[in-house]
Amino acid sequence: QKEVEQNSGPLSVPEGAIASLNCTYSDRGSQSFFWYRQYSGKSPELIMSIYSNGDKEDGRFTAQLNKASQYVSLLIRDSQPSDSATYLCAVNRISSGSARQLTFGSGTQLTVLP
Amino acid sequence: NAGVTQTPKFQVLKTGQSMTLQCAQDMNHNSMYWYRQDPGMGLRLIYYSASEGTTDKGEVPNGYNVSRLNKREFSLRLESAAPSQTSVYFCASSTNSYEQYFGPGTRLTVT
Repeated sequence: QKEVEQNSGPLSVPEGAIASLNCTYSDRGSQSFFWYRQYSGKSPELIMSIYSNGDKEDGRFTAQLNKASQYVSLLIRDSQPSDSATYLCAVNRISSGSARQLTFGSGTQLTVLP
Repeated sequence: NAGVTQTPKFQVLKTGQSMTLQCAQDMNHNSMYWYRQDPGMGLRLIYYSASEGTTDKGEVPNGYNVSRLNKREFSLRLESAAPSQTSVYFCASSTNSYEQYFGPGTRLTVT
C-alpha cells in the first residue's frame, strides 16, 4: 500500500461546478496535511494546510480532514478554467523528526471545462 | 523576498559529465530538500538537510551528493550523469510546521 494515495484522474468538471479531490494516507500518526497545486511545467504551490479534523475554508477552497478514516479531501467551489492543474496531497512523515519530511501522493489531474 | 531560487533553469548534459544544481532560500528556514519529479512517479526525495551542517539521504540518493553550504544554500551535485537522471529537479525549504515551499525547478536532460 502506498503511503499517500490519490486517484490520478484525469478529473473533468464543468466551469462553475464543485471539484472534489480525495487522498488517503496510511500512517495513522500523521498530524499535518497539505494540498499543493502544480500547473503544467511549473513547481508545486502550497494552497491549503489542515491539522485538525473537520473543514477548513479559504476562499473557494475547502480542505476536509477525517483522521479516523485516514482521508483528506479538497473541494474547489465555482471551479474555473484557471483551476486546471495537478493537485498533490502531502502528509507529514512522523518518523522524520526535525527534518520535517513530507510524503507526496502522485497527484490528481483536474481539468475545468469552459 | 525571492523565496526559493534555483539555477540553472535548464541543462543538457552528456553521459558522464558532472554538474551542480544550486538552490538558495531567503525565508530563514532550517530545513531544505532536493526532489526529482518524473512522469507517473510523483515527487521523490533525493537528499535533505534538517539544519545547517547536516545532510541525510532520502528515497533515491544514488548518483547524487549534496552540500549545505550555509543556512541559505543547499546544492545538489551529479558526479557522473546518466540518462536515468533525466528529470525535473526541485529544491524546497520548510518551516517548523512542515509547510514546504518549492523553487521553480531545473529541467535536466542527460543524453
